[in-house]
Amino acid sequence: AQSVTQPDIHITVSEGASLELRCNYSYGATPYLFWYVQSPGQGLQLLLKYFSGDTLVQGIKGFEAEFKRSQSSFNLRKPSVHWSDAAEYFCAVGANNNDMRFGAGTRLTVKP
Amino acid sequence: GAGVSQSPSNKVTEKGKDVELRCDPISGHTALYWYRQRLGQGLEFLIYFQGNSAPDKSGLPSDRFSAERTGESVSTLTIQRTQQEDSAVYLCASSLAAGGTDTQYFGPGTRLTVL
Repeated sequence: AQSVTQPDIHITVSEGASLELRCNYSYGATPYLFWYVQSPGQGLQLLLKYFSGDTLVQGIKGFEAEFKRSQSSFNLRKPSVHWSDAAEYFCAVGANNNDMRFGAGTRLTVKP
Repeated sequence: GAGVSQSPSNKVTEKGKDVELRCDPISGHTALYWYRQRLGQGLEFLIYFQGNSAPDKSGLPSDRFSAERTGESVSTLTIQRTQQEDSAVYLCASSLAAGGTDTQYFGPGTRLTVL
């Protein structure tokens, strides 16, 4: 079965600084990759997803992620972080079955 | 349109009691998932329903856990003889299509506390 690793449990960045959240996956075939965000008191919301095609995908709220097959990675980036981006971010990998696996999450704190 | 709803939003119970958690998926979504999220941890897959197919129960942690779904609508997750380790947020998600390839829409979760 597929698996996901998010190496960073907690990241703190200053408002306006750039952000990169790491995600590594393990799967034998081409994965379906997702990033979800869980804001305080709210449910999980999809930021972006990759199925095929262009390896750089754009999402909502100014986020993007790049699929790198050689590194088995799907890192999430944002050029300039806003205070409202403070949340928990989850990377997930799906397969051609009913199996979806989520990472443990990365908590983002934004300093003023 | 309405999103995924879950009830109750919070549940406090005593060890050994049974609890029932409810999920109302988005209308027309054929797939429904239950996840468990323990404090400070990621989402743990519990069970998956797809239409009238037999559910995938591979994630249920013990036989104290069970779930049902009526057609392509409401689902209930039942935990019998609750233990303190069952304390977590239980999340429900639905998706339009089958499989782990479609966007899942999550409910707000039910926070279960077992005393």
